[in-house]
Amino acid sequence: RKEVEQDPGPFNVPEGATVAFNCTYSNSASQSFFWYRQDCRKEPKLLMSVYSSGNEDGRFTAQLNRASQYISLLIRDSKLSDSATYLCVVNEQTGANNLFFGTGTRLTVIP
Amino acid sequence: DVKVTQSSRYLVKRTGEKVFLECVQDMDHENMFWYRQDPGLGLRLIYFSYDVKMKEKGDIPEGYSVSREKKERFSLILESASTNQTSMYLCASSPTGGANGELFFGEGSRLTVL
Repeated sequence: RKEVEQDPGPFNVPEGATVAFNCTYSNSASQSFFWYRQDCRKEPKLLMSVYSSGNEDGRFTAQLNRASQYISLLIRDSKLSDSATYLCVVNEQTGANNLFFGTGTRLTVIP
Repeated sequence: DVKVTQSSRYLVKRTGEKVFLECVQDMDHENMFWYRQDPGLGLRLIYFSYDVKMKEKGDIPEGYSVSREKKERFSLILESASTNQTSMYLCASSPTGGANGELFFGEGSRLTVL
């Protein structure tokens, strides 16, 4: 059983496209949710937290569906610089020892 | 900016060798972590530490040990390297223990065990 599951992709989309990734989690008691971005051969970096009410940061929108136990990341008007792997992260309890990382979804934005 | 520095970006070792991976952070964070990242498996927590001289096992501690003698430094030790420990090793630190999801990662140490 994987705590966090993502479609590995790759997603290849043209510049300007809208793309969405989903991530499912198995523990209904999970408390907090995040998206990280990892560029090729680089370390992961926090992209955004995911709030129950949904949240937006520029072209990026994150949403949480507790009933169905999934979170999503929507990227509008894709840029070449958005090409990266997007990691879904779930915190099952307070404390970092309960942070579970998905395997990531790879996005390539094509000119 | 938070800086997490891992001493070696690339290492090649032989089976049975002792391997030290060093990690230093400059933001006075209480919490430090060691993960390994493998294709198809994602990041898996090996060990973490929430204070000097304190350590806690993560999900896959077998074959590893750690040392935290100073707040800024967290070392991962492979007592006797094996080929299945070939991986990317990522160190991270956090002021909050990761409860707000924000871990600051180093650039990683890619270890190959022959």
